[in-house]
Amino acid sequence: AQKVTQAQTEISVVEKEDVTLDCVYETRDTTYYLFWYKQPPSGELVFLIRRNSFDEQNEISGRYSWNFQKSTSSFNFTITASQVVDSAVYFCAADSWGKLQFGAGTQVVVTP
Amino acid sequence: DTEVTQTPKHLVMGMTNKKSLKCEQHMGHRAMYWYKQKAKKPPELMFVYSYEKLSINESVPSRFSPECPNSSLLNLHLHALQPEDSALYLCASSQDATGSAGNTEAFFGQGTRLTVV
Repeated sequence: AQKVTQAQTEISVVEKEDVTLDCVYETRDTTYYLFWYKQPPSGELVFLIRRNSFDEQNEISGRYSWNFQKSTSSFNFTITASQVVDSAVYFCAADSWGKLQFGAGTQVVVTP
Repeated sequence: DTEVTQTPKHLVMGMTNKKSLKCEQHMGHRAMYWYKQKAKKPPELMFVYSYEKLSINESVPSRFSPECPNSSLLNLHLHALQPEDSALYLCASSQDATGSAGNTEAFFGQGTRLTVV
């Protein structure tokens, strides 16, 4: 079983500011997968990124970047130069053996 | 555009009604899922189908009955629901059952907003 903690309930920023979302996970599995999903008001969960437990390389994809550190069990996600369309709830999730466990979610509000 | 299609988008049903939620994907995915999401809460896994067989049932009450007619379709049959079952029901699919190997990210539909009166 795994546990995913997103301590930030809501983050409010002004457009063009950077936003960093924190995620801490707990698992006893040696192989696991970590994800970030975005849920806009329409309700659909949109897949953003996936990371495997054996790959700690951090990457940047457009305005998104992530920082995966096994030593601190953290999988943080950053949106650079935020836009109003980034307003949504962001979920961190962990998967092991077929069960996707979501964190509580962080509401991101980007104002013009 | 989502490649997982759910119908209906909204459903209001009485506690004595029988209704079904439908989900369809044409990405060739072999795993499909039902999640339940209450307001301001994260999604909770209900069922997992892998290669058209039920592989995970998260102790869901029998008033929810899943069905997988083929690899592209997933239904959720509802009967004698309670008002507390009102929620957003999300369907998802992935290339394989998550955690097994390879491209395991799940793609979600827009959900069915269910209200039980």
